[in-house]
Amino acid sequence: NAGVTQTPKFRILKIGQSMTLQCTQDMNHNYMYWYRQDPGMGLKLIYYSVGAGITDKGEVPNGYNVSRSTTEDFPLRLELAAPSQTSVYFCASSYMGGSGNTIYFGEGSWLTVV
Amino acid sequence: DAKTTQPPSMDCAEGRAANLPCNHSTISGNEYVYWYRQIHSQGPQYIIHGLKNNETNEMASLIITEDRKSSTLILPHATLRDTAVYYCILSRHTGNQFYFGTGTSLTVIP
Repeated sequence: NAGVTQTPKFRILKIGQSMTLQCTQDMNHNYMYWYRQDPGMGLKLIYYSVGAGITDKGEVPNGYNVSRSTTEDFPLRLELAAPSQTSVYFCASSYMGGSGNTIYFGEGSWLTVV
Repeated sequence: DAKTTQPPSMDCAEGRAANLPCNHSTISGNEYVYWYRQIHSQGPQYIIHGLKNNETNEMASLIITEDRKSSTLILPHATLRDTAVYYCILSRHTGNQFYFGTGTSLTVIP
């Protein structure tokens, strides 16, 4: 299994541009998440999804949009990129089951907005 | 979800046990205690979780106080590869959202 795969790994955007961070998982997990991590800080939850067609806001959703049309994919859309969105973005997935809810993370996407 | 409090940093000598504390005084009855770690800039890695009882796996042990208001993650024989940021997280098993704090930066010293 590949686990959680994010693309691209690195990207430089100009202010005002838009882009989509792709995330796919092959573990048939029902839950998926997007986090951002600024330098020296902990992870902040942007959006999460409990299943296909269902998404909800986390702690820092402003400036982002998500969709969940399939179980496998959970893309994160940045509209009108701003320097404050310079960060490392992590996608994650988990299966909500009786034994717990272990989250599996992707390797991260480094985004710089200039 | 309830918040957790962890010391910002700790040192541990290589080969010794590393004991990482976490306070969660407002934990709810249905919230589990999870521990993750993040090595450098990689995605966080699951370590262990528990509800009431102490837990042990191949990576670590988790000690939860009887009142569940605090817990300790124990790395029994710390190695240099255990240098990382360790996060203590509370989460329910339904309608779940995982909120990470700032964690404890553990440095294992040779």
